[in-house]
Amino acid sequence: DAGVIQSPRHEVTEMGQEVTLRCKPISGHDYLFWYRQTMMRGLELLIYFNNNVPIDDSGMPEDRFSAKMPNASFSTLKIQPSEPRDSAVYFCASSPTGHSTDTQYFGPGTRLTVL
Amino acid sequence: KNQVEQSPQSLIILEGKNCTLQCNYTVSPFSNLRWYKQDTGRGPVSLTIMTFSENTKSNGRYTATLDADTKQSSLHITASQLSDSASYICVVLSGGSYIPTFGRGTSLIVHP
Repeated sequence: DAGVIQSPRHEVTEMGQEVTLRCKPISGHDYLFWYRQTMMRGLELLIYFNNNVPIDDSGMPEDRFSAKMPNASFSTLKIQPSEPRDSAVYFCASSPTGHSTDTQYFGPGTRLTVL
Repeated sequence: KNQVEQSPQSLIILEGKNCTLQCNYTVSPFSNLRWYKQDTGRGPVSLTIMTFSENTKSNGRYTATLDADTKQSSLHITASQLSDSASYICVVLSGGSYIPTFGRGTSLIVHP
């Protein structure tokens, strides 16, 4: 298996622009997670899905952030409009089932820079 | 407020030596505690997952311990290798949810 796939790997944009990050989870995994990592705040869970349905989005910082999962093999995280403080590495992860001790498999991340 | 504190913040050791990283938490109710290894420029990789009833869990040269009474965990690395240079992150999950509390990590550098 190719693992969790994220694109793009790097994104540089200007303040005010729309940014869309993409994720393909491991085939057969029912859960998908979006995380953000910064030097200041470390890793944070933004939102997670179960069978394509958003379960908890309490970590989404503002209304500028939105996430969708139209099918089992694809999810997007959109920021509109983007701001410099959104600069971070965004990770997508997936896990097989809903058991709390399931291993989560992380993608390589998208490094976002907002100028 | 749920918190996870890791120490030391950074550590430098010589190849072949052992080391121990610490994690203290105040997460309640407790579900499980995870240790991740994160290489520079990559996503975290799970090393161990421990529930309340588990005291020790090993993964190769990595051994994690958990004391649920004192709310402390440690990650022991035996016979360190250059490839162990990474950030090690402790994560605690609350009971009944996927909402994690992350530590800030320990940055380990192994010198030849």
